Amino acid sequence: AQKVTQAQTEISVVEKEDVTLDCVYETRDTTYYLFWYKQPPSGELVFLIRRNSFDEQNEISGRYSWNFQKSTSSFNFTITASQVVDSAVYFCALSEAGRTGGGADGLTFGKGTHLIIQP
Amino acid sequence: DTAVSQTPKYLVTQMGNDKSIKCEQNLGHDTMYWYKQDSKKFLKIMFSYNNKELIINETVPNRFSPKSPDKAHLNLHINSLELGDSAVYFCASSLRGRWEFFGPGTRLTVL
Repeated sequence: AQKVTQAQTEISVVEKEDVTLDCVYETRDTTYYLFWYKQPPSGELVFLIRRNSFDEQNEISGRYSWNFQKSTSSFNFTITASQVVDSAVYFCALSEAGRTGGGADGLTFGKGTHLIIQP
Repeated sequence: DTAVSQTPKYLVTQMGNDKSIKCEQNLGHDTMYWYKQDSKKFLKIMFSYNNKELIINETVPNRFSPKSPDKAHLNLHINSLELGDSAVYFCASSLRGRWEFFGPGTRLTVL
C-alpha cells in the first residue's frame, strides 16, 4: 500500500533563512506522481508542483526548488530566502496508477508540515 | 472562472440533520473526488468517481453518499449528521491522476 511520510510536524525559522521540507514515500507502482500543496491560514489547497516517476530532474521555480530522488524515495522541497508569506501547512502527496490503471484512486497525503516564518 | 467550485463554504447544522455539499468542475476532467480534512489537518480520500462511476469508496460510513449527475458534478449527501462529521470537506478533480485541483473546501460544523 502507498504511504507518504512527512516527519517534520512543525518547523520555525526566521525570515530570509532557507528551509527544507522532507517527504518520503512508499509505493509498489512503477508509475506514480508526486505533488506538493500549500495550505495557507485561509484554508485553500494550493497546487505547487507535480512530478512523475520517470522524471528525476530537479525543479526550480523562483525561491522554490524540489529534489526528487527515487533511490531514497524522497521528494524534498526547499524554500530559499523564506518570507513571512510562506507560512502555511505544506503537504506532500502521492498518486498511483492504481487499481483502475488510470490514476483515479486519488491522492495519498502526508500529515503535513506546519512552516512558521518569523519576521 | 473557478476551476473547481463548492457550495456552501460554511455549513453549521444540528446533530441528526441531513445535508448536502455540491461540487462542480469546469476543467473537463474525468475523475472527481471527495476528501475529508480532520481537526488535525489530516487529509484522506473518501470517494472517487471516474466518468460517473464510483471507483473508490474508502472506509466511510454509509451515511455518506456521493451522487454524480454528470461528469462535471459530484455532490456529497450526509444523513443523520454526527458530531464527528465536523471537518473540512474538499472536492477535487483530475485527468487520469496527472493533475489534481481542489475546490475551496466546505467547513462543516455539527452542533
